[in-house]
Amino acid sequence: NAGVTQTPKFQVLKTGQSMTLQCAQDMNHEYMSWYRQDPGMGLRLIHYSVGAGITDQGEVPNGYNVSRSTTEDFPLRLLSAAPSQTSVYFCASSYSMGQGMADTQYFGPGTRLTVL
Amino acid sequence: RKEVEQDPGPFNVPEGATVAFNCTYSNSASQSFFWYRQDCRKEPKLLMSVYSSGNEDGRFTAQLNRASQYISLLIRDSKLSDSATYLCVVTKENNFNKFYFGSGTKLNVKP
Repeated sequence: NAGVTQTPKFQVLKTGQSMTLQCAQDMNHEYMSWYRQDPGMGLRLIHYSVGAGITDQGEVPNGYNVSRSTTEDFPLRLLSAAPSQTSVYFCASSYSMGQGMADTQYFGPGTRLTVL
Repeated sequence: RKEVEQDPGPFNVPEGATVAFNCTYSNSASQSFFWYRQDCRKEPKLLMSVYSSGNEDGRFTAQLNRASQYISLLIRDSKLSDSATYLCVVTKENNFNKFYFGSGTKLNVKP
């Protein structure tokens, strides 16, 4: 298994450009999430999905869109990049254990995004 | 108020030392608890889950205190390879697909 993969590893954008960060997992996990990590802020949840066709907002969703057309893929779209979106983006996936219990999250290697 | 709070450190300790980190969470309905480890410029990886009865994995011991709403991680006989940032993670009851991360505690183990 490849686990969770993310592309690209690095990206530089100009303000106003749009782009899509790709995330895929081959573990048949129901849950997938996108986080951003900034110095001193920890990981903050952007959007998450509990299954194909179902997505919801996290703590910091503004400026980002997601969709989940398949179990495997969960792309994150930046609509109009801003310097405040310069960050490291991590995608993660996990099983549901049911009864309100969460299973381990597996993370991709991250995408380092700079917006000029 | 943040959902999860951690002392950012850094904790600078010699090899062989015992070091402990605490993490406090704000929501008493939090359901699942974890410690993750993150190496510099890498993705977080699960170190251990934290159970109500406490649990141990080799040199690592995790404890949960629901009454005081804190989680602890104890590392015994520190190794150079333990140098990393340790992230405390909680989820809420009935919303377990949302994970809340602390900002991490940095540990430097020195020779």
